[in-house]
Amino acid sequence: AQSVTQLDSQVPVFEEAPVELRCNYSSSVSVYLFWYVQYPNQGLQLLLKYLSGSTLVKGINGFEAEFNKSQTSFHLRKPSVHISDTAEYFCAVTSKYQTGANNLFFGTGTRLTVIP
Amino acid sequence: DTAVSQTPKYLVTQMGNDKSIKCEQNLGHDTMYWYKQDSKKFLKIMFSYNNKELIINETVPNRFSPKSPDKAHLNLHINSLELGDSAVYFCASSQVPIAAVLYNEQFFGPGTRLTVL
Repeated sequence: AQSVTQLDSQVPVFEEAPVELRCNYSSSVSVYLFWYVQYPNQGLQLLLKYLSGSTLVKGINGFEAEFNKSQTSFHLRKPSVHISDTAEYFCAVTSKYQTGANNLFFGTGTRLTVIP
Repeated sequence: DTAVSQTPKYLVTQMGNDKSIKCEQNLGHDTMYWYKQDSKKFLKIMFSYNNKELIINETVPNRFSPKSPDKAHLNLHINSLELGDSAVYFCASSQVPIAAVLYNEQFFGPGTRLTVL
């Protein structure tokens, strides 16, 4: 079974400052890792994903994440945030070896609030 | 065109009622999912369907019954609604992974906010 821990439930940050949202996962098998964003009253949108290859993954809206296998982490970063980045961010994991469906297991989310 | 759509967007109902949430995807995907997001924003998989067949039921009470009339639709029917069923329910779809190391992105619907009074 897989699980995800997002250590920070809320992260306030000033506009144009850098931000890092932390994610650690636990799994007995190899995994794929994801970050999703949920804007207020909307569904989930995929920010980026790690499937294989380079451990530094670039996503949409200037976000990037780095897969660290030894630390079982997949932290999300952005060098300069905008007001429009205010949203809930979810880290998720799925096993590489599922067939038929890729059930995602989510963390509890981090609320990013960008302060003008 | 909306890729994954859900109706209704909001649903307010009394305890004990039976209600359904509909989901449709126009992406030609083979696999569909239902997730529940509780009041603390925690998202959890409920069901996944592959070509109209149930693949997984993650310890969901049998009051919840997914119904897939065709591979483009996965509806969620809930009997005898309870207060604890209040949540946002998300439908998603993806192409079925056909090899052990293949992942296909899931596309999520906008969610249905269910409030049980």
